[in-house]
Amino acid sequence: AQSVTQLDSQVPVFEEAPVELRCNYSSSVSVYLFWYVQYPNQGLQLLLKYLSGSTLVKGINGFEAEFNKSQTSFHLRKPSVHISDTAEYFCAVSVIQGAQKLVFGQGTRLTINP
Amino acid sequence: EAGVAQSPRYKIIEKRQSVAFWCNPISGHATLYWYQQILGQGPKLLIQFQNNGVVDDSQLPKDRFSAERLKGVDSTLKIQPAKLEDSAVYLCASSLDPSQNTEAFFGQGTRLTVV
Repeated sequence: AQSVTQLDSQVPVFEEAPVELRCNYSSSVSVYLFWYVQYPNQGLQLLLKYLSGSTLVKGINGFEAEFNKSQTSFHLRKPSVHISDTAEYFCAVSVIQGAQKLVFGQGTRLTINP
Repeated sequence: EAGVAQSPRYKIIEKRQSVAFWCNPISGHATLYWYQQILGQGPKLLIQFQNNGVVDDSQLPKDRFSAERLKGVDSTLKIQPAKLEDSAVYLCASSLDPSQNTEAFFGQGTRLTVV
C-alpha cells in the first residue's frame, strides 16, 4: 500500500517570499507523484506531476517540485508567492501498474500575508 | 470543454436519512472516481469505475454506501442510512485513460452535513 505524509499542516508566509511545502511518500512499488491545489469551495486542480525523466518538474502558476527517490520526497516550491496562492495543497501518489488511483496526503494550508 | 458537474453543491440531512449525489463526468472520459474528503484530511477514494464496471471499491462502506454508473456516463453515490461521521465533501473526478496517466479532473464537490 502507498501512503503520503505532508509534514506541515499549515504554512504562513509573507507575500513575495519563497515557500516550500514538504511531501514524503511510502511505497513498495514505483509510483507517479502529483501536487494538487484546492481553492476555497472548489475542486482540486492539478499543479504538476512527475512521471519519469527529469527530477525537477515545473507546473502552473510558477510552482515547481523536485523528486528525490533516495529520500522518497517530492517537495513543492515557489520562489515568490502571491496573495492568490492562498489555498490548500495536496500531494498524491499513484502506482505505475494497475488501476490508477490517487492516494492523497492530508494537505497543507498555505496562507499568504501581505 | 465542460468540466465535471456535480449536484447538489450542499446538502443537510438528519442522521439515519438517505441522500444521493450525482456526477456527470467530462464527455469521453472512461474512468470515474468518487472521493470522500473529511474536514482537515485529504481526499480518500471510495470507488473507481472504468466505463460502467467497478475497478476498486475496497474503501467503500458497503453496508451503507452504494454507487452506480449506468451506461458508463453519469454516476450516483447513495448513502443509506447516513451517520454523523459521513459529514464530508464528496468529490467526483474523471479521467480519459488512467493507464496513460492522463490527468484526473475534479468537480466542485457536494458538501454533506449530517445532523
